[in-house]
Amino acid sequence: AQSVTQLDSHVSVSEGTPVLLRCNYSSSYSPSLFWYVQHPNKGLQLLLKYTSAATLVKGINGFEAEFKKSETSFHLTKPSAHMSDAAEYFCVVSLYNQGGKLIFGQGTELSVKP
Amino acid sequence: DTGVSQNPRHKITKRGQNVTFRCDPISEHNRLYWYRQTLGQGPEFLTYFQNEAQLEKSRLLSDRFSAERPKGSFSTLEIQRTEQGDSAMYLCASSQSRGRGETQYFGPGTRLLVL
Repeated sequence: AQSVTQLDSHVSVSEGTPVLLRCNYSSSYSPSLFWYVQHPNKGLQLLLKYTSAATLVKGINGFEAEFKKSETSFHLTKPSAHMSDAAEYFCVVSLYNQGGKLIFGQGTELSVKP
Repeated sequence: DTGVSQNPRHKITKRGQNVTFRCDPISEHNRLYWYRQTLGQGPEFLTYFQNEAQLEKSRLLSDRFSAERPKGSFSTLEIQRTEQGDSAMYLCASSQSRGRGETQYFGPGTRLLVL
């Protein structure tokens, strides 16, 4: 069965410092993986996606993620946090052989201190 | 492209009442998904449509839940005899099926509170 585990429920960083949000996945085949962000009272927005091309994926707002098959990981990083990055982040696996339905991790809440 | 829209944005109802939510997908998208998100959790899949056909329903979707997508356009999600446990954010997403890596675009959600 496919699943996603986000290793931290809450991460706190200072503005201008690096961000690391950790995600491990379990999949019986090569997965499609996504990171979505959810700001308070706003809808889910796609940050980036991996679909079996380049293992280092660049997304919006300076975020990137690296797919590591040997570690079954898809961690999200950003070199320098901005106050506007404070939000809930979800690591997601897509079951493309099941109509593309998404399996979400539990989420990581990112706080950014001034 | 106006994005995915959902109505209403908020709904407060009393236990036992019926409620209906509407989702308008991005116009050229043939797939439409419903998810439910409870506080502090990630969204969970409920059901999805390809055009007007409902192709899968989660075990989370009890007999009190029904979804439709007439003519493959907008979709409605109805909950009959609501219970307090139905309180959640109901999210709709749409996509154009193209195999691996298709992107789902989400609406703002309908927040349901059952008193």
